[in-house]
Amino acid sequence: AQSVTQLGSHVSVSEGALVLLRCNYSSSVPPYLFWYVQYPNQGLQLLLKYTSAATLVKGINGFEAEFKKSETSFHLTKPSAHMSDAAEYFCAVSDAGNTPLVFGKGTRLSVIA
Amino acid sequence: KAGVTQTPRYLIKTRGQQVTLSCSPISGHRSVSWYQQTPGQGLQFLFEYFSETQRNKGNFPGRFSGRQFSNSRSEMNVSTLELGDSALYLCASSERPGNTEAFFGQGTRLTVV
Repeated sequence: AQSVTQLGSHVSVSEGALVLLRCNYSSSVPPYLFWYVQYPNQGLQLLLKYTSAATLVKGINGFEAEFKKSETSFHLTKPSAHMSDAAEYFCAVSDAGNTPLVFGKGTRLSVIA
Repeated sequence: KAGVTQTPRYLIKTRGQQVTLSCSPISGHRSVSWYQQTPGQGLQFLFEYFSETQRNKGNFPGRFSGRQFSNSRSEMNVSTLELGDSALYLCASSERPGNTEAFFGQGTRLTVV
């Protein structure tokens, strides 16, 4: 069974600083991996996805993530944080797209001016 | 193109009552999934429907049920409501099963008192 671990339930960065949100997964078959963002009282918006093509995936709003099989990781990064990036971020895994999404517990990102 | 529409947005029910939530997927999308989001348990998969058939079901009691209509609209029903059913219920639609590009609605916030 797949699982996702997001290290750090809350991450705080200064505006303009690097954003790094960590995600490790467990899957017995090649995974599909996703990052979603959720703003207060909203649904989830897809930031980016990995589906076995390029290991470095670029998403919306300047975010990117790198799939590292040896480390079973799919960390989300952004070179320079904006105030508008403050939200909750969820990493999710699917069994090659054949199973429902399994989500991590989420990481709340705060951006300090 | 209209997004995923969930109705109602907010709902307050009393313990023991039942509730029906509705989800209209994006036009052309035939797959609908439901998730429950709570602060303690995070995002948990409820069920997935495709072409009016339930493909997958999460680990929830039988009080939770759902269905999908021929126009791909979906409903979920919770009977004999408990306080612990208070949550944000999210619906996601995709063109087909596999969740490679799932679009989420804004959710229905259910409060059980």
